Amino acid sequence: EPEVTQTPSHQVTQMGQEVILRCVPISNHLYFYWYRQILGQKVEFLVSFYNNEISEKSEIFDDQFSVERPDGSNFTLKIRSTKLEDSAMYFCASSRQVSNSPLHFGNGTRLTVT
Amino acid sequence: GEDVEQSLFLSVREGDSSVINCTYTDSSSTYLYWYKQEPGAGLQLLTYIFSNMDMKQDQRLTVLLNKKDKHLSLRIADTQTGDSAIYFCAETDTGGGNKLTFGTGTQLKVEL
Repeated sequence: EPEVTQTPSHQVTQMGQEVILRCVPISNHLYFYWYRQILGQKVEFLVSFYNNEISEKSEIFDDQFSVERPDGSNFTLKIRSTKLEDSAMYFCASSRQVSNSPLHFGNGTRLTVT
Repeated sequence: GEDVEQSLFLSVREGDSSVINCTYTDSSSTYLYWYKQEPGAGLQLLTYIFSNMDMKQDQRLTVLLNKKDKHLSLRIADTQTGDSAIYFCAETDTGGGNKLTFGTGTQLKVEL
């Protein structure tokens, strides 16, 4: 069964550094998402992306965050200048349609900011 | 805004049935989902139910939806140790699209 894959599985970075989290969505899916889960908290929506544009973003997704689909297969989340509170598990997801279509998640990237 | 609530823990004996409950606030949600998260792993889609359905069965899993009470449950028959995980309920956002609001997750522990 096709999967969403994320790399790396764990990223450690120093405060103020830039990080790029990478995702390969399922190949025939058109809608892409990033969610995050701070340890012990709920899974939270960050951003959705379709047709090379952000469709929707949450309050968490401020100017420090950006997303990109640099080629036909990858979908990336960049955090420009990481803060301690960015430490979380970041999940990429994709779906075939914009609505009423289940999201399939990757295994996540654990980001630790020191 | 939308809110999804779940109890935090559930402990069952191997072979028993598990019932994980969820309440949600958005009556216009079209789909409700159950995801499973094993330790250190991602969110695995288990099953989902369309809001005009009352029940959906998929092998050992039964989802019951009470739309009037905004209550969703996941029943796992013949629970096995491999079912030990965190189970998340999620609803779709009022505004349509696929933005999900997740519950806190219920940690299921299966004891021998």
